[in-house]
Amino acid sequence: GNSVTQMEGPVTLSEEAFLTINCTYTATGYPSLFWYVQYPGEGLQLLLKATKADDKGSNKGFEATYRKETTSFHLEKGSVQVSDSAVYFCALRRADKLIFGTGTRLQVFP
Amino acid sequence: GAGVSQSPSNKVTEKGKDVELRCDPISGHTALYWYRQSLGQGLEFLIYFQGNSAPDKSGLPSDRFSAERTGGSVSTLTIQRTQQEDSAVYLCASSQREGREQFFGPGTRLTVL
Repeated sequence: GNSVTQMEGPVTLSEEAFLTINCTYTATGYPSLFWYVQYPGEGLQLLLKATKADDKGSNKGFEATYRKETTSFHLEKGSVQVSDSAVYFCALRRADKLIFGTGTRLQVFP
Repeated sequence: GAGVSQSPSNKVTEKGKDVELRCDPISGHTALYWYRQSLGQGLEFLIYFQGNSAPDKSGLPSDRFSAERTGGSVSTLTIQRTQQEDSAVYLCASSQREGREQFFGPGTRLTVL
């Protein structure tokens, strides 16, 4: 079936550190892939997406590349800020429904 | 413009009672989705509407759960005879049409005592 696996958190970093949150997926075909972010007290927001192999999604300094060889969509940011503290969800879309990973909490300290 | 709104924001109920959760999608959005976010199960799909019809109800966990959408707009998720395992945050999302970006509401936190 279709599923998403992402690294467990919390991930704790100092400001300006490099961030990687791993995400791998299992799916038939080539689904669209997404990263959503949930800031404290707020709803889910789309952070970035990629719709086909080798596409790179980017937004707010975050990037993720759709790798079909490794069925991965890892989230990266070169220099995190305190304001990036949130829960990050990797997801794939199949038959118009989103299938989410379990979420990774990121905590950034000054 | 207004985003997706949900009411109530919090609901506490006793086991065995029925509850109704409401979702107001973004105006003009034809597709509407319900998801559930719980500690044990993470974020899971429940049901999806295109207009007033529900092509995919595969995520509804039991026959105690039902949803409807009227006028291609507001949707109501009903849980009958609530159980403690129904405690979760229920999220609603809408999109312009199938395959487009889904915009999420703030959720309804349901607590079943």
